[in-house]
Amino acid sequence: AQKVTQAQTEISVVEKEDVTLDCVYETRDTTYYLFWYKQPPSGELVFLIRRNSFDEQNEISGRYSWNFQKSTSSFNFTITASQVVDSAVYFCALSEARMDSSYKLIFGSGTRLLVRP
Amino acid sequence: GAVVSQHPSRVICKSGTSVKIECRSLDFQATTMFWYRQFPKQSLMLMATSNEGSKATYEQGVEKDKFLINHASLTLSTLTVTSAHPEDSSFYICSARASDSTTNEKLFFGSGTQLSVL
Repeated sequence: AQKVTQAQTEISVVEKEDVTLDCVYETRDTTYYLFWYKQPPSGELVFLIRRNSFDEQNEISGRYSWNFQKSTSSFNFTITASQVVDSAVYFCALSEARMDSSYKLIFGSGTRLLVRP
Repeated sequence: GAVVSQHPSRVICKSGTSVKIECRSLDFQATTMFWYRQFPKQSLMLMATSNEGSKATYEQGVEKDKFLINHASLTLSTLTVTSAHPEDSSFYICSARASDSTTNEKLFFGSGTQLSVL
């Protein structure tokens, strides 16, 4: 069965610190997708990144970077020089790449990030 | 970018009443929409998958007679919580997958509905 583990329940950092959010997943499929979403206090989910299981290249987008390690089934997310606006709950999610509509996103339990001024 | 509109954003109702939540894809067609439920400080749990023109597929443990899902068009899915009770109070989020997407690369979320049942 699929499973996504975000072991860090809450993280508190001071502004400008770097912070890494961990995500470990389990799946028996060879083809799958991994996602990160941000949920600010307002509640909506903001898409951050989608990664195909065949693409192990790390990705950087501004202050955000992602480290995909298939060997350890991890997809960690790093925020460099954190800002107060980064305070939110971050979810890692996994889905199988099926062609029909029977797939579903499995979400981790989320990591609440608090960035203090 | 693609937008999913979810209404209402917040609803307070009396126990025993029914509440309808709408999820609309504004600038794309969505053959498949998903409904999630989120309790405070917890993760999102998939409730059901709705496909336009067919019956929704419910996850184990979700009462289909209590959570009625209708996906009558390619841009609208509704979730009706029937005979709501205080334990149904939760944050409900919908997501829509673009019809020209065969995987999850075009999956967009609504802004959520906070339901409070008194």
